[in-house]
Amino acid sequence: DTEVTQTPKHLVMGMTNKKSLKCEQHMGHRAMYWYKQKAKKPPELMFVYSYEKLSINESVPSRFSPECPNSSLLNLHLHALQPEDSALYLCASSQELAGQFFGPGTRLTVL
Amino acid sequence: AQKVTQAQTEISVVEKEDVTLDCVYETRDTTYYLFWYKQPPSGELVFLIRRNSFDEQNEISGRYSWNFQKSTSSFNFTITASQVVDSAVYFCALSPPYGGATNKLIFGTGTLLAVQP
Repeated sequence: DTEVTQTPKHLVMGMTNKKSLKCEQHMGHRAMYWYKQKAKKPPELMFVYSYEKLSINESVPSRFSPECPNSSLLNLHLHALQPEDSALYLCASSQELAGQFFGPGTRLTVL
Repeated sequence: AQKVTQAQTEISVVEKEDVTLDCVYETRDTTYYLFWYKQPPSGELVFLIRRNSFDEQNEISGRYSWNFQKSTSSFNFTITASQVVDSAVYFCALSPPYGGATNKLIFGTGTLLAVQP
């Protein structure tokens, strides 16, 4: 299994909603990542988990809350988002000295 | 400072033409990794290649080839005999050597390639 899966593919939420994005990989990778990508821009790193511990938080607002329940799963909990948070959210995983493998993303719209 | 520059914002070619996507990088690290990713309209970033800074051999994979020149800090990507399915945004990325499993990618701004039938 050489893929990263993400659910849901699309999500529409109001500013008062709480929702979660899910990411899963079964490649045995020990690092997992969340990225945010706006249209016509490169992905921006949000969080990195290494061996299930949060190792990088790129000064992301607290309305985004990551969670790594185990080495295969990564969640991103969303609460009180703003319309400007609408974007493609990409999950990725990697192993030592290898490239990052990305999931298909979740297209998030905040109304 | 580390930086990746993709000066070509958009390129349009006709099917079967060859096309080269440019990538220039800046880093003070002596060890680093370079990557190319393809992002079709569906949104998924597809890993194409990883190259480490000690390996300057050019690589060919089917219609794709990569030219790594350390002397000019460039890592260019050529598609031979382009096809409509090659239409996508292509990102070049740089990664410093982190310990453990983590590598932090520094992306260029991307080049949108449109291949016309």
